[in-house]
Amino acid sequence: DQQVKQNSPSLSVQEGRISILNCDYTNSMFDYFLWYKKYPAEGPTFLISISSIKDKNEDGRFTVFLNKSAKHLSLHIVPSQPGDSAVYFCAASDGNNDMRFGAGTRLTVKP
Amino acid sequence: EAQVTQNPRYLITVTGKKLTVTCSQNMNHEYMSWYRQDPGLGLRQIYYSMNVEVTDKGDVPEGYKVSRKEKRNFPLILESPSPNQTSLYFCASSLDGTLYGYTFGSGTRLTVV
Repeated sequence: DQQVKQNSPSLSVQEGRISILNCDYTNSMFDYFLWYKKYPAEGPTFLISISSIKDKNEDGRFTVFLNKSAKHLSLHIVPSQPGDSAVYFCAASDGNNDMRFGAGTRLTVKP
Repeated sequence: EAQVTQNPRYLITVTGKKLTVTCSQNMNHEYMSWYRQDPGLGLRQIYYSMNVEVTDKGDVPEGYKVSRKEKRNFPLILESPSPNQTSLYFCASSLDGTLYGYTFGSGTRLTVV
């Protein structure tokens, strides 16, 4: 039972444009939401997080939006750069170290 | 350098031969976890630990064991590996398991034949 879902396995955008990666969850007990980036042959790297008391968190080119009523979060990357090409995982936690991950979305940023 | 170190990076073994994948972190993190990554399924949590001598099952614990005798080490043990345990394994540690996120190791690719 996948409690965190990333329905788009891949996304391709042009350099300089906005990348929007989406994630849906089913468990209303999740309080913390995170995005990770993964390059081949490396472990995932933590990117940005948001708690359920907020609806937006920004860090440089990366912004995460949370819509609790829709159980939906998204990651916006503006402007997208070729170095952003990677697999992005959405994750959620109820605060008890039980962190659930989505299946990932492969982002390709074309020069 | 703050890191999570897991060994080996690659391992090919035969069905039924016990093996251990080691994991060590140098950040004094309380929380540690093991994940496996499979195509189309993302990362699934195998076991996690919130402190020394405290471990708990994740989503897919069957066929695995862990121990947390010291804060820095969290080995993953496969007592009798089977081909369906062929996967990419990641160890991770975290300050609080929530907003600070996990620091992941580089992964161990295990093949069971």
